[in-house]
Amino acid sequence: GENVEQHPSTLSVQEGDSAVIKCTYSDSASNYFPWYKQELGKRPQLIIDIRSNVGEKKDQRIAVTLNKTAKHFSLHITETQPEDSAVYFCAARQGAQKLVFGQGTRLTINP
Amino acid sequence: NAGVTQTPKFRVLKTGQSMTLLCAQDMNHEYMYWYRQDPGMGLRLIHYSVGEGTTAKGEVPDGYNVSRLKKQNFLLGLESAAPSQTSVYFCASGRLAGETQYFGPGTRLLVL
Repeated sequence: GENVEQHPSTLSVQEGDSAVIKCTYSDSASNYFPWYKQELGKRPQLIIDIRSNVGEKKDQRIAVTLNKTAKHFSLHITETQPEDSAVYFCAARQGAQKLVFGQGTRLTINP
Repeated sequence: NAGVTQTPKFRVLKTGQSMTLLCAQDMNHEYMYWYRQDPGMGLRLIHYSVGEGTTAKGEVPDGYNVSRLKKQNFLLGLESAAPSQTSVYFCASGRLAGETQYFGPGTRLLVL
């Protein structure tokens, strides 16, 4: 089955700097990769996703890149702001019906 | 549109007690999922359903049972709670298989 590894587990950056979170997956058949943001005490919410037929996708300050050959994908947040502080989860589709999640990255933005 | 709702929000159980967590969605989604979230371990899939009347095992199904008698509801049962089941439980639903999932607010369960 699919295995998703996420790094780093914690990340601290200065406000205004960029943050990058990386995930690797094991199943070469996986074709859908979402990213979720979970604020403290709240539910996970989708922030961006990418499919295997696309190498990069951007939405304002966030972007995701996918390298199918190396089986890894990354979340990039530019011009970080205090409200970006949260736990971020990557995921990969396993089979036809499920998502497998990474272990999460706690991002802290320092003012 | 309430989206995905979960009851209760918080519960304390003694070892060996039973309980049922209720998940409801009003988006007419076919797919529903139960996850548990533990520190440093992300979201792990317990059971899921691909439609009314169906259930399937996920990654960590032992000690849990589920039922999907109505399309909008997905119940998670603990027959005999154990301290290892202390966790935050999230329900999610999705319109398409293995795609965007919408999460409920979570249920915090403490088993003493």
